[in-house]
Amino acid sequence: KAGVTQTPRYLIKTRGQQVTLSCSPISGHRSVSWYQQTPGQGLQFLFEYFSETQRNKGNFPGRFSGRQFSNSRSEMNVSTLELGDSALYLCASSPLMTANYGYTFGSGTRLTVV
Amino acid sequence: KNEVEQSPQNLTAQEGEFITINCSYSVGISALHWLQQHPGGGIVSLFMLSSGKKKHGRLIATINIQEKHSSLHITASHPRDSAVYICAAPYNTDKLIFGTGTRLQVFP
Repeated sequence: KAGVTQTPRYLIKTRGQQVTLSCSPISGHRSVSWYQQTPGQGLQFLFEYFSETQRNKGNFPGRFSGRQFSNSRSEMNVSTLELGDSALYLCASSPLMTANYGYTFGSGTRLTVV
Repeated sequence: KNEVEQSPQNLTAQEGEFITINCSYSVGISALHWLQQHPGGGIVSLFMLSSGKKKHGRLIATINIQEKHSSLHITASHPRDSAVYICAAPYNTDKLIFGTGTRLQVFP
């Protein structure tokens, strides 16, 4: 059974550009959540989608957005990139719409903004 | 004050030692997650537990819901156990709040 797939694995962008990251959950999982990990702030929740609806959003500016498709694949977009957006972006999938259930994490996309 | 706190932040051990990592949380939860992150970034979910104790190989996780405390133990530690261990608690059942992580290094 395939795991959670995130693409691309590495990305280098310039300040001001925008970026789109992709996450394909485990087959049958309908919940996808996104997290940002930086050395200074650790892991922080970005947002969570279930059945194409954003159910929860973390404390991030509006430049961070996402969506989920009918096949449960999810994308997150960051517009007008800033140096501070350099981070490891992780997604996780779960079969249910609750954090009281097991998660499977992807390997992450490491974004570097220069 | 962080809602999820871990200790210690860094841990060094010799191969074979018994390791304990602690996690305390202030939010009301019904389950707690333990995660492992190796260099390179990928995260593996080790345990999700809501009461008592769970064991997987040399890893044991315990939780006391009343005291809002959980521990992760590693018996007979090995250099391949070197990683960052993170506890995470669900907030409002919708999202995970993470501890700052414990960086474990096990030397042969």
